[in-house]
Amino acid sequence: RKEVEQDPGPFNVPEGATVAFNCTYSNSASQSFFWYRQDCRKEPKLLMSVYSSGNEDGRFTAQLNRASQYISLLIRDSKLSDSATYLCVVNGMDSSYKLIFGSGTRLLVRP
Amino acid sequence: GAGVSQSPSNKVTEKGKDVELRCDPISGHTALYWYRQRLGQGLEFLIYFQGNSAPDKSGLPSDRFSAERTGESVSTLTIQRTQQEDSAVYLCASSLGLAGTKQFFGPGTRLTVL
Repeated sequence: RKEVEQDPGPFNVPEGATVAFNCTYSNSASQSFFWYRQDCRKEPKLLMSVYSSGNEDGRFTAQLNRASQYISLLIRDSKLSDSATYLCVVNGMDSSYKLIFGSGTRLLVRP
Repeated sequence: GAGVSQSPSNKVTEKGKDVELRCDPISGHTALYWYRQRLGQGLEFLIYFQGNSAPDKSGLPSDRFSAERTGESVSTLTIQRTQQEDSAVYLCASSLGLAGTKQFFGPGTRLTVL
């Protein structure tokens, strides 16, 4: 089983739609959770950290469910510029420094 | 301030040659990480440095791969006797510390082994 699993997509949605991605992780001891965004042929960029109580940054909301070991990202009012691959990231099983990246969920926002 | 920089941005080499990839982290970031990303794949952790030390080298794919860091700054990833399966984007990231702190990535070096 992969340490971090994501639905690869693609999710194809119209502008203005709300879309949600989930991610599951295997290490129940993980303490650090992030969503990164990666555009085609570019480096990953931090989108937001994920906190236990859930957190929001503009149109983006991240939630953590420790009991079920999943993380979610909700994007409201999708923009064309949101088209990218979204990477779920969790600190590794054997230490806190090693971040384990999911393979990503691809989002396509169409006009 | 300046972000993480990497050089070269692209490298094409012949099978069997050695290559050196360079990473300049964000100034003041004590932790530095190397990852590999094959086409269409996720990021694969290779090695990290805390200061100039690399406590965990277990992510390096083989003994052809080595890395060093000097002056708690620049890091070099060396691949000896390159193979075609080494073709990938090699990404460097840095962070203020460990313990899962936010990592900031450089633009990567795209390595193609012919």
